[in-house]
Amino acid sequence: GEDVEQSLFLSVREGDSSVINCTYTDSSSTYLYWYKQEPGAGLQLLTYIFSNMDMKQDQRLTVLLNKKDKHLSLRIADTQTGDSAIYFCAERDNTDKLIFGTGTRLQVFP
Amino acid sequence: EAQVTQNPRYLITVTGKKLTVTCSQNMNHEYMSWYRQDPGLGLRQIYYSMNVEVTDKGDVPEGYKVSRKEKRNFPLILESPSPNQTSLYFCASSYRQGMGYEQYFGPGTRLTVT
Repeated sequence: GEDVEQSLFLSVREGDSSVINCTYTDSSSTYLYWYKQEPGAGLQLLTYIFSNMDMKQDQRLTVLLNKKDKHLSLRIADTQTGDSAIYFCAERDNTDKLIFGTGTRLQVFP
Repeated sequence: EAQVTQNPRYLITVTGKKLTVTCSQNMNHEYMSWYRQDPGLGLRQIYYSMNVEVTDKGDVPEGYKVSRKEKRNFPLILESPSPNQTSLYFCASSYRQGMGYEQYFGPGTRLTVT
């Protein structure tokens, strides 16, 4: 079946850039998503990219998609302490189901 | 305010004691679903509903039941909870199922079964 993988932890200094990586197996994915989960809260959609795009930028967020390698990344520029959260990558498969990754816990230290 | 609400937010119970976690949305969404979140496993879908009286199994339905008698509510029922159902549960809804429709998540229910 489909699989979405992420590294579990990332630690960065405030002001640096963060890059969170994700790999997926389903080549028929149509949309790929990044969700943010703050402590004690549900998931919030951050951004998404359609599978025929290579890059999408939205303020401090840059999403890069390498469809050949099935690799998705989320770059957060000028990372702030408020960006500390768990970030989930998700793909929408060809049955329209959302498949989530394991989540990457981003810790930002001063 | 558009939102998905879940109750209770925290629950500690014992093995075998039936429980229900409620989920309600005020956005007139057709599609609703339940996920469980476990460390190292991400979110896995338990059940989903495309509309009133239409429900279907997700990836991990064993031990759970759902019902969708009204559009706004989608309760999750554990008839005989077991310790392996200790988890963080999320309800989500979207206008429809499909690529153009954002899923809105509830705040989560942390369940502990002893």
